[in-house]
Amino acid sequence: ETGVTQSPTHLIKTRGQQVTLRCSSQSGHNTVSWYQQALGQGPQFIFQYYREEENGRGNFPPRFSGLQFPNYSSELNVNALELDDSALYLCASSSTGAGANVLTFGAGSRLTVL
Amino acid sequence: TQLLEQSPQFLSIQEGENLTVYCNSSSVFSSLQWYRQEPGEGPVLLVTVVTGGEVKKLKRLTFQFGDARKDSSLHITAAQPGDTGLYLCAGAGSGGSNYKLTFGKGTLLTVNP
Repeated sequence: ETGVTQSPTHLIKTRGQQVTLRCSSQSGHNTVSWYQQALGQGPQFIFQYYREEENGRGNFPPRFSGLQFPNYSSELNVNALELDDSALYLCASSSTGAGANVLTFGAGSRLTVL
Repeated sequence: TQLLEQSPQFLSIQEGENLTVYCNSSSVFSSLQWYRQEPGEGPVLLVTVVTGGEVKKLKRLTFQFGDARKDSSLHITAAQPGDTGLYLCAGAGSGGSNYKLTFGKGTLLTVNP
């Protein structure tokens, strides 16, 4: 069983740039959620994708957007990067029904904005 | 807005000691989860508690969900260096908001040999 894989593991951007982070979900999972974890904080929910559509969103501005593909993999895009966007971005996959809240997290993408 | 407060924020103990970590909220959650996160890794699910008053044991770890489903505790007996990590509690909302988890800030545990 393949777990959740994320890429890239680390990246550095400057203010105003755009970034795309990628996630491959665990085999058998059809739902992907993205979380932002700032240093010293717990993860914060960004949004969730199910059936290639956004299924719920946290308190993040529209410059945070995402996609889910037919193979259930997903992308997180952030436009007009700000210094406060520096964080670990975690992708988690899950199934529906009874397994909806059983999340399998990837190791994350560490984004630094200079 | 649902918030989860974890305490203590940092905990450094010697191998063999016992410890308890707390997770409190003014909100009711349909279920509560505990995760452990090691440096450079994502959180790994330890347990899910669903019923008020529920107690679950996982080897030396004991998890309890409060009767009102607003708080939870994690007790570790005879801690070992391998228990070192960030312990996160996360609550799932009910009804239409059950798709997202609300995390606490975590308790950073260091177990010294």
